[in-house]
Amino acid sequence: EPEVTQTPSHQVTQMGQEVILRCVPISNHLYFYWYRQILGQKVEFLVSFYNNEISEKSEIFDDQFSVERPDGSNFTLKIRSTKLEDSAMYFCASSNLGTSGRAGNEQFFGPGTRLTVL
Amino acid sequence: AQSVSQHNHHVILSEAASLELGCNYSYGGTVNLFWYVQYPGQHLQLLLKYFSGDPLVKGIKGFEAEFIKSKFSFNLRKPSVQWSDTAEYFCAVKGAGRRALTFGSGTRLQVQP
Repeated sequence: EPEVTQTPSHQVTQMGQEVILRCVPISNHLYFYWYRQILGQKVEFLVSFYNNEISEKSEIFDDQFSVERPDGSNFTLKIRSTKLEDSAMYFCASSNLGTSGRAGNEQFFGPGTRLTVL
Repeated sequence: AQSVSQHNHHVILSEAASLELGCNYSYGGTVNLFWYVQYPGQHLQLLLKYFSGDPLVKGIKGFEAEFIKSKFSFNLRKPSVQWSDTAEYFCAVKGAGRRALTFGSGTRLQVQP
């Protein structure tokens, strides 16, 4: 069964450093997402991406964050200058168009990358 | 803004007991509703979803959920739980036409053999 993969599983970085989290969505999916879960808190939406542009983003997704699909398979989340409060589990997800042509169907989640900012 | 409330943070049941996990949402328009499960050490998996039609939806592993529009609720049920159902359960809502899932805080279910 196809699945979303993420690398690395755990990333430790110093405050102020740039990090890039990588995701390989399911191959025939066209919508891509990033979510995060700070320890003990809810899973929060960050951004969705379709047709090489951001289709929706939350207020968490400020100028420090960016997303990119550098090739036909990878989907990345970059944090330019990490802060202590960026420590969280980051989940990538993908979905297909769905029968109605909208991203209404299931979002398939990856295993997550645990980011620790020291 | 949409929000999701899950009333039970931690539920402990014995095997064969019946399960009902509460989920209420707040959103002003048409919604799509989901229950996700996260088994220990694994990633989020979809249990079931509601988009339209029959408000009683059946999912995998014997789970079902009922959408009650007047109560803004989407409670998850299972008539007889197994030890293997030990996991964290997340209710989520998506506004029709939107991309973002809004999650509840999750319910940790512990099933004792």
